[in-house]
Amino acid sequence: GDSVTQTEGLVTLTEGLPVMLNCTYQTIYSNPFLFWYVQHLNESPRLLLKSFTDNKRTEHQGFHATLHKSSSSFHLQKSSAQLSDSALYYCALSDGTGGYKVVFGSGTRLLVSP
Amino acid sequence: NAGVIQTPRHKVTGKGQEATLWCEPISGHSAVFWYRQTIVQGLEFLTYFRNQAPIDDSGMPKERFSAQMPNQSHSTLKIQSTQPQDSAVYLCASSRDWGDEQYFGPGTRLTVL
Repeated sequence: GDSVTQTEGLVTLTEGLPVMLNCTYQTIYSNPFLFWYVQHLNESPRLLLKSFTDNKRTEHQGFHATLHKSSSSFHLQKSSAQLSDSALYYCALSDGTGGYKVVFGSGTRLLVSP
Repeated sequence: NAGVIQTPRHKVTGKGQEATLWCEPISGHSAVFWYRQTIVQGLEFLTYFRNQAPIDDSGMPKERFSAQMPNQSHSTLKIQSTQPQDSAVYLCASSRDWGDEQYFGPGTRLTVL
């Protein structure tokens, strides 16, 4: 079945440094939808950004990600971390065949310190 | 648009008691999802409905968990004979169409003593 791998459980950064959270996926289908959800403390997950177009950069709220089907990757990046970026980040996959189910990765907690 | 509504926000049960969690999806959304979230396990898929029909319950513990969607405006997750390991935040989410984002409710924090 489909799967999403987030290799880092915890990423700690100093404010101002660049952010990169890794996400790779596995699916037999050729047109998946990839998502990044962010969950701040005591809140629910909400969509950060989404893509289904190969090699196209998607941006939102200072974060960006590019879906690379050749490497099955959808890494999340930001040029300069802010304290408010501290949160739990989930990468997720929908297989794009018309089904509604979304497979979530295990999540990466980002802690940004002054 | 009030978003996804979940009640109660907090529930405390004794071991062996039953717990029923409620979810009201966003009006017009055709799919409803249930997840369980713990620090150790992260976000676990339980089940989902599309147009009120159960589609996939592969994440549901078979013996004590059940979910229903009797009408388009609400879904319930019932846990019978609750156990301490059922303690978690139970999240409901809805989406409008396939490939769309999921909108999560605030969750129900279940504590089983």
